[in-house]
Amino acid sequence: GAGVSQSPRYKVAKRGQDVALRCDPISGHVSLFWYQQALGQGPEFLTYFQNEAQLDKSGLPSDRFFAERPEGSVSTLKIQRTQQEDSAVYLCASSLARSSTMSYEQYFGPGTRLTVT
Amino acid sequence: SQQGEEDPQALSIQEGENATMNCSYKTSINNLQWYRQNSGRGLVHLILIRSNEREKHSGRLRVTLDTSKKSSSLLITASRAADTASYFCATLKSSGSARQLTFGSGTQLTVLP
Repeated sequence: GAGVSQSPRYKVAKRGQDVALRCDPISGHVSLFWYQQALGQGPEFLTYFQNEAQLDKSGLPSDRFFAERPEGSVSTLKIQRTQQEDSAVYLCASSLARSSTMSYEQYFGPGTRLTVT
Repeated sequence: SQQGEEDPQALSIQEGENATMNCSYKTSINNLQWYRQNSGRGLVHLILIRSNEREKHSGRLRVTLDTSKKSSSLLITASRAADTASYFCATLKSSGSARQLTFGSGTQLTVLP
């Protein structure tokens, strides 16, 4: 596929359930980002990987949120014991990260809409 | 938290008119990018302007950047109904190792046929 794909596209979870959201970045893209987008707002940064290394997780709202990218390609965002405030669209983005470049165009997936009831 | 504000929050125009959206931000930046998001879809990159650039064009898009005022504007000329979407500015910080984008709150543009 040419773009970033995410699955599932929609997820409904009961409060307290654990969920796992998957992101397949563009092949060869080194950097991978997760963002959370609340209704009517812009995306907010959650965490960032360069290859398999999680270089920044400062945006994760609580220790219930965990992300991994074990082989430097596919990434999974896991939310444990979901709460209603976790309801949002979770966007994944990837980019070609060359340390010498100033350009960081990110390519976004369609997102996973999570609804916690 | 969001980097800054976009203005207006919502804009409704007739097809063929120009649409102007503004974005303000708070920190020093490496570059500023504009993205479009159609309802229920992911974000699509439109244009990137570096901190040492003042104006950039791409097709019907014109972006300006004023780093002294920490503001940017996006102009869409000769708008079409297909331009209806939410538009977000996003900044990349100039300092530190951060590589994530910081987004504004967006402008919802409606182009009426």
